[in-house]
Amino acid sequence: AQTVTQSQPEMSVQEAETVTLSCTYDTSENNYYLFWYKQPPSRQMILVIRQEAYKQQNATENRFSVNFQKAAKSFSLKISDSQLGDTAMYFCAFIISGAGSYQLTFGKGTKLSVIP
Amino acid sequence: GAGVSQSPSNKVTEKGKDVELRCDPISGHTALYWYRQSLGQGLEFLIYFQGNSAPDKSGLPSDRFSAERTGGSVSTLTIQRTQQEDSAVYLCASSLGTSGGQETQYFGPGTRLLVL
Repeated sequence: AQTVTQSQPEMSVQEAETVTLSCTYDTSENNYYLFWYKQPPSRQMILVIRQEAYKQQNATENRFSVNFQKAAKSFSLKISDSQLGDTAMYFCAFIISGAGSYQLTFGKGTKLSVIP
Repeated sequence: GAGVSQSPSNKVTEKGKDVELRCDPISGHTALYWYRQSLGQGLEFLIYFQGNSAPDKSGLPSDRFSAERTGGSVSTLTIQRTQQEDSAVYLCASSLGTSGGQETQYFGPGTRLLVL
């Protein structure tokens, strides 16, 4: 069974600063995908970034980037130039690659507050 | 195009009553998922539909929970004889349904259910 652990229940960052959210996972699979989702107070889960395990290059999406360490099973999210709109719950998620795979496994989330 | 929509946005019910939650996926998406998000927890997989195939109900917590998907589009999650522990946010997601685990799942805004 796969597990995803987010060890930081809450974090805060000053506006315009950089923050890193941690995520570790456990799996015996070699091919999989990792995601970071953002859930603002509106409850809408929004995809922030995704990473294919077979790619060594870390994914980036504007101010969001990941540090993917496959051997360590670590997948942290870095938010640069934090904005007030980044205030939200952030969930790390994992899914096995393959046509028959469809269950996302989520961590319990990190509540991020951006302070003006 | 429109995203995943869910209704109602909020539902308050009395213990023992039945409730129906509705999900309208993104047009053209054949895969549909239901997840439950309880207070302080990550998301828990409930059920998965792919086209006209039999759904994977392995995540449903009890036989009081059931779901159907009519015409391969709209889905209804029904909870019979609700209990207080059913209080949670119920999230629906959809994806293209052609590539299994590598697909991004797009989420709706959820239905917040409160059982008194």
